[in-house]
Amino acid sequence: QQPVQSPQAVILREGEDAVINCSSSKALYSVHWYRQKHGEAPVFLMILLKGGEQKGHDKISASFNEKKQQSSLYLTASQLSYSGTYFCGTARTSGTYKYIFGTGTRLKVLA
Amino acid sequence: DTAVSQTPKYLVTQMGNDKSIKCEQNLGHDTMYWYKQDSKKFLKIMFSYNNKELIINETVPNRFSPKSPDKAHLNLHINSLELGDSAVYFCASSPGMRGGNQPQHFGDGTRLSIL
Repeated sequence: QQPVQSPQAVILREGEDAVINCSSSKALYSVHWYRQKHGEAPVFLMILLKGGEQKGHDKISASFNEKKQQSSLYLTASQLSYSGTYFCGTARTSGTYKYIFGTGTRLKVLA
Repeated sequence: DTAVSQTPKYLVTQMGNDKSIKCEQNLGHDTMYWYKQDSKKFLKIMFSYNNKELIINETVPNRFSPKSPDKAHLNLHINSLELGDSAVYFCASSPGMRGGNQPQHFGDGTRLSIL
């Protein structure tokens, strides 16, 4: 079952904040976040391994609530370079080689 | 130096033909993957190989046959191409034995169009 991301699409002005959610119907071991710009490959942003863990990367951070089986990606003071499609990639066990990617969220930042 | 490289970048061909896509990674990773990204941008895993061994075959039609001659290469051969095969195919790799906590590095993708 594919994790559902919300919102499906969001438009921001530079400097505004956004939250992208990723919800799974199954228990998760880890959540990865990727950004894909148009016509390019997905690029790894961060991984969250433990429930409740929060990680930060510049002005992009994420949290993982394993009880709720969801993760959120927080983008603060957005920049033009943040535009793209964001995917969560989920793994159900530590030993798995199978990643299930979410439905994707298209984010566009306007000047 | 490109970490994960795929060739060709674009592939336009007719229904019924057979084609191959090649992938190579120079990261020293143990695990390689093939993903299909359809027109709705959904990324779906097709195959996963660890050290040349097939680990995951995600109910992909047997017209698709992956081959890993060594752990740095994972190729994808597709027989009797169908219209529904049109998509972007991404190769990816990740380090280590256990996949669940390893970031993936993607190639630039191969855009396959079936006429």
